[in-house]
Order: sequence, then C-alpha cells, then structure tokens
Amino acid sequence: GQSLEQPSEVTAVEGAIVQMNCTYQTSGFYGLSWYQQHDGGAPTFLSYNALDGLEETGRFSSFLSRSDSYGYLLLQELQMKDSASYFCAVPGGSQGNLIFGKGTKLSVKP
Amino acid sequence: KAGVTQTPRYLIKTRGQQVTLSCSPISGHRSVSWYQQTPGQGLQFLFEYFSETQRNKGNFPGRFSGRQFSNSRSEMNVSTLELGDSALYLCASSPGQGADEQYFGPGTRLTVT
Repeated sequence: GQSLEQPSEVTAVEGAIVQMNCTYQTSGFYGLSWYQQHDGGAPTFLSYNALDGLEETGRFSSFLSRSDSYGYLLLQELQMKDSASYFCAVPGGSQGNLIFGKGTKLSVKP
Repeated sequence: KAGVTQTPRYLIKTRGQQVTLSCSPISGHRSVSWYQQTPGQGLQFLFEYFSETQRNKGNFPGRFSGRQFSNSRSEMNVSTLELGDSALYLCASSPGQGADEQYFGPGTRLTVT
C-alpha cells in the first residue's frame, strides 16, 4: 500500500524558518504535493515536485529526494497567518486521486 | 475564474437517511475528486471522475456513490447514513488528468445524529 508520515505538530516563532518533513512509501511514484489548510477552511495547493531538488515559490520552498522517499516544505519569514495544517500527498496512481499524510499542525508564536 | 463550489455547506441528517452533495468544478476542469475528512482518519479519497467516468474508487462501502455530468458537475450520494459518516466532504477539481495539482472547494460539513 501507500503511506505518508509527517510529524503531528511543529511550533515556531514569527520571522523564523521552519521545515516540515514527509516520508512516503508508494508502489509507484508520480510526485509529491503539499497543501495548506487553515482551521475551518479547505486545503489549498502549495507545490508539486516530480523531480529531485528544491522548488521555490516566494516564502515557500519544497524539496524532494526520490532515492530517500523523502520531501520537506520550508517556510521562511514566518507570519502568524502561516499557522495552519500542512499536508503532503502523493498521487495514488497516474490518475486523479491523492493519498494524504495526516498533516503537520504548525503554530506560529509572536 | 470562479473556484470550486459545493452545496450545501452544512447538513444535519438522521441515521438511516440518505444525502446528496453537489460539486461544481472550476470552469474547464474535467477531473473531479471527492474526499472525506475526519479528525481521526484525516483526508481519505472517496472517488474520482473524469469525463463522466469513474476512474478510481477509494476503500469505502457501497453506500457511498457518485456521478459526474456532461458539464463536469459532480454529485456524491451516501445512503443509509451512519453516525461515523459525520465528516467534512471535500470536492477537488484538476486541470489535467493527473493528481499533481488539485483545487478544493469549501466542503460540506455533514453531521449525522
């Protein structure tokens, strides 16, 4: 089967940098995605990595190492509004379904 | 472009009843996926439709069903509701045929009493 592991909680201070890790086990690999979800809200797409390396989008960066079955999401210059749950996800196959990790709840403190 | 819309936003039903939830994807998106989110199980895939065909189904009982119409709008139905079906039901649409980038609607919060 397929599974993804993420730490359940992370706490960081405003202005700092935080890294949230994700390890996965899949029968086939089609890429690693990251989603943000605020309490009471819907998941929002952040990034997708199909190849090894770092992808940067503003304050957010996502990294993938396929040989290690590992990825992380890096948030820089943390703001209070970044407090949310962050999910990594992998496609269940070549088509349109995602398998999600349990998510990491990020709390940003002043 | 308008985002993914879901109706209703909130629903309270009694055990044994059935419910139908609706999802309108982003214009031009042909793939629609449904997920169930609960505090205990997290986000779990229900099924996915592309061009009116169900391509994938998650590990849920046959009480959960869905369909997609020619305009890409989708519905899911849950029959014989159980207390454990209380959850946030999320619909997501994709611009392509894969799952690399999905856009979620606000969800329908279903409470079964």
